[in-house]
Amino acid sequence: GAGVSQSPSNKVTEKGKDVELRCDPISGHTALYWYRQSLGQGLEFLIYFQGNSAPDKSGLPSDRFSAERTGGSVSTLTIQRTQQEDSAVYLCASSFGTANEQFFGPGTRLTVL
Amino acid sequence: QKEVEQNSGPLSVPEGAIASLNCTYSDRGSQSFFWYRQYSGKSPELIMFIYSNGDKEDGRFTAQLNKASQYVSLLIRDSQPSDSATYLCAVKGGRQAGTALIFGKGTTLSVSS
Repeated sequence: GAGVSQSPSNKVTEKGKDVELRCDPISGHTALYWYRQSLGQGLEFLIYFQGNSAPDKSGLPSDRFSAERTGGSVSTLTIQRTQQEDSAVYLCASSFGTANEQFFGPGTRLTVL
Repeated sequence: QKEVEQNSGPLSVPEGAIASLNCTYSDRGSQSFFWYRQYSGKSPELIMFIYSNGDKEDGRFTAQLNKASQYVSLLIRDSQPSDSATYLCAVKGGRQAGTALIFGKGTTLSVSS
């Protein structure tokens, strides 16, 4: 079956603009995670959704970051008033339940000028 | 103290040799351990996961876990140039039980033909 898909693959924006990144998880996967990977840094957890439970937002770096997951499937990560330090690859992963292996999408490369 | 530590490398091995990649973690309550491979410009790809002490083999790959020493390793037998990539160790459980993966920064492996 299809893997995790993300769009857009690349996004260039100006400082101060808002951006939306989309993730479509593997069909049937109940858990969805957002991570980001900055140049020279490891993967950093941002937020996690499991079913209809309240999301774990503990990794979000500031209140400019938010995410939602509609209908238990597609998720959108929104970054408001983007800053240059937001430039990174944003990766989405999904798993069949929280105890299982996570599979990553191809990522969205965000560049804030 | 970093939660998951890996030697950044590069680790250079000749084709056909065994590559040994190591990882230590700080949270003794960690439950699940994963190895991901990441080619340059690509997203992480799951190679192995291990939950119990001992060895787990899958083809040319063997994951080894020693919870008492808080140590997990990945052995790649008969290394091929196509194995050249960054290998990410990830840990789940403990203080963040059931949620995100905590990643090391990765070890770069270079296999020369």
